[in-house]
Amino acid sequence: EAQVTQNPRYLITVTGKKLTVTCSQNMNHEYMSWYRQDPGLGLRQIYYSMNVEVTDKGDVPEGYKVSRKEKRNFPLILESPSPNQTSLYFCASSLETGTGSRNEQFFGPGTRLTVL
Amino acid sequence: GENVEQHPSTLSVQEGDSAVIKCTYSDSASNYFPWYKQELGKRPQLIIDIRSNVGEKKDQRIAVTLNKTAKHFSLHITETQPEDSAVYFCAAKVRNTGKLIFGQGTTLQVKP
Repeated sequence: EAQVTQNPRYLITVTGKKLTVTCSQNMNHEYMSWYRQDPGLGLRQIYYSMNVEVTDKGDVPEGYKVSRKEKRNFPLILESPSPNQTSLYFCASSLETGTGSRNEQFFGPGTRLTVL
Repeated sequence: GENVEQHPSTLSVQEGDSAVIKCTYSDSASNYFPWYKQELGKRPQLIIDIRSNVGEKKDQRIAVTLNKTAKHFSLHITETQPEDSAVYFCAAKVRNTGKLIFGQGTTLQVKP
């Protein structure tokens, strides 16, 4: 089944304890992206990757790191999480980054992170 | 920086009525405008999109219009049904980048 998976789905952690949220897609998509969703703020892009070894900042990259060593995986790393990073995180992927149907982003199920 | 404003934040309509959600974008280099629907507890899913060289696009009860001069685009849902109740997000993609800027979302409630 074609899908985007994220792990873990739920995580409660403490300030300063490094964590990684994994994202994997099995659709051979070139483009992958991370978003955070907060009430009243919509979805805000953290980082995106247009291909292997190519990553770029979105709107809210501070406090986050990413890497794209393989096409299918795009982990999100919080080196020193803080309470303001408590949020719902979505990973997404698309075949391309143009303007046609191949640009449709498929979202993962989300990871709810709480930083105490 | 790039910004997308979405209105209204909440919208309540009677079943069978039409619903309209409006978005304004700031970056004139934006060239692709998708709309996503997010049901409660679920992930966002694309419902319709439009490119900057097109003024209008329809898909059954859903339509999107784009006014490039005014930097406005709108989602129109006709003959609304209770299953249309969800949060709707507009977005604008900046040309030649992977940057996708989302609006703040509109919670649509369709009353039976």
